[in-house]
Amino acid sequence: AQTVTQSQPEMSVQEAETVTLSCTYDTSESDYYLFWYKQPPSRQMILVIRQEAYKQQNATENRFSVNFQKAAKSFSLKISDSQLGDAAMYFCAYKTFSGGGADGLTFGKGTHLIIQP
Amino acid sequence: NAGVMQNPRHLVRRRGQEARLRCSPMKGHSHVYWYRQLPEEGLKFMVYLQKENIIDESGMPKERFSAEFPKEGPSILRIQQVVRGDSAAYFCASSPQRSSTDTQYFGPGTRLTVL
Repeated sequence: AQTVTQSQPEMSVQEAETVTLSCTYDTSESDYYLFWYKQPPSRQMILVIRQEAYKQQNATENRFSVNFQKAAKSFSLKISDSQLGDAAMYFCAYKTFSGGGADGLTFGKGTHLIIQP
Repeated sequence: NAGVMQNPRHLVRRRGQEARLRCSPMKGHSHVYWYRQLPEEGLKFMVYLQKENIIDESGMPKERFSAEFPKEGPSILRIQQVVRGDSAAYFCASSPQRSSTDTQYFGPGTRLTVL
């Protein structure tokens, strides 16, 4: 079974600075998908970014980018120019590629991101 | 395009009662997933359904929990004889089809409190 580990229970960053959230995972599969979801105090789960494992290029969405290291099974999220609205729990998630396999996402325990004004 | 809708947003039950949680997927989505989030934890997959079919219930507790997604109407997660340990946030997600490439879009969740 796949596992996702987020080793930082909490991170703090000054507004306008850059922060990196770490995520590692364990899998025996070669094709899969990785996601970062954001959960603000409203508790709504919001997709931030996703990465296909077969793609070499790191995904980018505006101020959010990932550093995907497939051999190391690492998938970190970088947030540039941090804003107060970025304060939330961030969850890393894994999805198997095969439609015949597990259909659910496997989540890490989350990192609580605090933005200091 | 309305997002995934869940109701109620908050549900309080006493031990032994039944809880019914509803999820309406996004328009055009026929695949529904249920997740449970315990305090200080990430989400845990429970069950995946298509219309009138349970496809994957590998994360569903063996007793007291059931799910359905009828031809008409929302998907229902039903918890019978609730216990305090069932207190959690329950999230529903939907996707257009059963494809690894499809992102799951989440609803706002139902927070169940068992007294």
